[in-house]
Amino acid sequence: GAVVSQHPSRVICKSGTSVKIECRSLDFQATTMFWYRQFPKQSLMLMATSNEGSKATYEQGVEKDKFLINHASLTLSTLTVTSAHPEDSSFYICSARGIGTGVILDEKLFFGSGTQLSVL
Amino acid sequence: AQSVTQPDIHITVSEGASLELRCNYSYGATPYLFWYVQSPGQGLQLLLKYFSGDTLVQGIKGFEAEFKRSQSSFNLRKPSVHWSDAAEYFCAVGGTSYGKLTFGQGTILTVHP
Repeated sequence: GAVVSQHPSRVICKSGTSVKIECRSLDFQATTMFWYRQFPKQSLMLMATSNEGSKATYEQGVEKDKFLINHASLTLSTLTVTSAHPEDSSFYICSARGIGTGVILDEKLFFGSGTQLSVL
Repeated sequence: AQSVTQPDIHITVSEGASLELRCNYSYGATPYLFWYVQSPGQGLQLLLKYFSGDTLVQGIKGFEAEFKRSQSSFNLRKPSVHWSDAAEYFCAVGGTSYGKLTFGQGTILTVHP
């Protein structure tokens, strides 16, 4: 089946540094990728939606200047947490939507394995 | 706005027992409904999804779910739980913007031998 590769799986960084998380669709083209955040003992919350070649759409309350999303190709989207602080420590997970034959029921949605970010 | 409620935060069952995880949703139109499973430190694995048609949906690992429009529910069931089913389960709803999902709070399943 289709696979979404997300790296790194775990990262520890110092406060004030930036961290980049990659999300790759390995065997399909992902026109849209979604980035979620999951705080401990909470559910996943959508942060932003990125379409290949265009600016990401951020959910209310998510700082676009802090969470930079780039979706430059049909197989890669990156999330950069800029000037990370301890409150940014969270589990970040991406999902990628692949297009089948164009009928909506053929569209596939796959999740990466997630990135645990710890900011010291 | 769409929302999902999973009333049970934590459920404990004995291995071999039946399981039902509850999910209620709020959505203005016909929803796309999903159940995902997440093991500690792992990503999400899709168990099953409902788009239309037969309201009883079969998924992987012996799971099934039933869409009940009148009750706005999409409960997950399994007739006999295995120890390997211990994980956290998320119900999610999406709409025409396929892929943009709203998740419930999750239900942690513990399986006793």
